[in-house]
Amino acid sequence: KAGVTQTPRYLIKTRGQQVTLSCSPISGHRSVSWYQQTPGQGLQFLFEYFSETQRNKGNFPGRFSGRQFSNSRSEMNVSTLELGDSALYLCASSLGQGAGETQYFGPGTRLLVL
Amino acid sequence: GENVEQHPSTLSVQEGDSAVIKCTYSDSASNYFPWYKQELGKRPQLIIDIRSNVGEKKDQRIAVTLNKTAKHFSLHITETQPEDSAVYFCAAWGYNQGGKLIFGQGTELSVKP
Repeated sequence: KAGVTQTPRYLIKTRGQQVTLSCSPISGHRSVSWYQQTPGQGLQFLFEYFSETQRNKGNFPGRFSGRQFSNSRSEMNVSTLELGDSALYLCASSLGQGAGETQYFGPGTRLLVL
Repeated sequence: GENVEQHPSTLSVQEGDSAVIKCTYSDSASNYFPWYKQELGKRPQLIIDIRSNVGEKKDQRIAVTLNKTAKHFSLHITETQPEDSAVYFCAAWGYNQGGKLIFGQGTELSVKP
């Protein structure tokens, strides 16, 4: 099976703009989680989607949002970009939802906000 | 809130030596503990995981131990090789706030030939 894919891989934006990132999970996987990775903060949980519903959300401002489609593909959107949003955004898919479900990561989208 | 603390943040060993990375967690209900390896510029890859009904799990040169009473778990790598050089992340499943994986801050392991 193909692994988790993310597009685009690299993105440069300016402050105030908005951005949409895409994640395609492993075929058959229904859960997609998003993480922000920065050198200072490590991997921080953004949100999880399962069966097109947001199941959980991390401690990020409302500028960060997401959705999941019927084919389990997911998008996340960041509006009114700030310099501090520069990070590697990783998505991970799992077969189901909950503890014990192995999460498989995509290659990430590296976002640079100028 | 829930958190996972990971130590050390950096670890340098000679090829062939063992490496140990330790993590502690705060949610006593946590029952799933994966370890991920992230090489430079690459995605995190699961290398081993353990569930709370066992105290130890081994896979070739890698082992993980879990002490639920003390709420800590450790990764042991024996006979280290230069290709083991990477950042290692521990994680614990936290049940509070809807359930999610909470990651440690990472350990940068350097294996010197």
